[in-house]
Amino acid sequence: GDSVTQMEGPVTLSEEAFLTINCTYTATGYPSLFWYVQYPGEGLQLLLKATKADDKGSNKGFEATYRKETTSFHLEKGSVQVSDSAVYFCALESGGYNKLIFGAGTRLAVHP
Amino acid sequence: GAGVSQTPSNKVTEKGKYVELRCDPISGHTALYWYRQSLGQGPEFLIYFQGTGAADDSGLPNDRFFAVRPEGSVSTLKIQRTERGDSAVYLCASSSSGGASGELFFGEGSRLTVL
Repeated sequence: GDSVTQMEGPVTLSEEAFLTINCTYTATGYPSLFWYVQYPGEGLQLLLKATKADDKGSNKGFEATYRKETTSFHLEKGSVQVSDSAVYFCALESGGYNKLIFGAGTRLAVHP
Repeated sequence: GAGVSQTPSNKVTEKGKYVELRCDPISGHTALYWYRQSLGQGPEFLIYFQGTGAADDSGLPNDRFFAVRPEGSVSTLKIQRTERGDSAVYLCASSSSGGASGELFFGEGSRLTVL
């Protein structure tokens, strides 16, 4: 079945450091791909998405490119801030009605 | 507020008891989803409603779990004869359609602890 694998955390960075969180997927066909973020004390919220190969999703300085050849959707940010501290979930859509398959999540801690 | 509301936020119960968890989706959202998130894991799909009907309940782990959405708005997840392994955060999400846009709006979850 469809699945998502993302790098284990926690990831600990200093402010203004470069961030990469790796995500790979297994799926039949070419599903839409997503990054969701969960800030402390809040519900999951959509960060960015890409719906087809080579698409780049971006939001709040974060970017991820849908790579069909490597079945990957790595999350990057050039300069992280303390406020980016959260848990990040990679996900794919399976079934055509927003049935999302999530990875295990990666906790990011950014220190001043 | 205008977001997805879940109650209770925390529920502690004893093994064998019956539990109900409520979800109030964003007004006008026709699609509603329940997920379960165990400690250190990502959310796992349980069930999807389009309107009043359960269009996909393939994620419900066994027949102790049941969910309803009688009027196409509020949904209740019901767990009978709870077991310690049911302890998790139960998440509800809604979206404006059942299409594959991927934008689900999540509540903060109901944390269930079964002693």
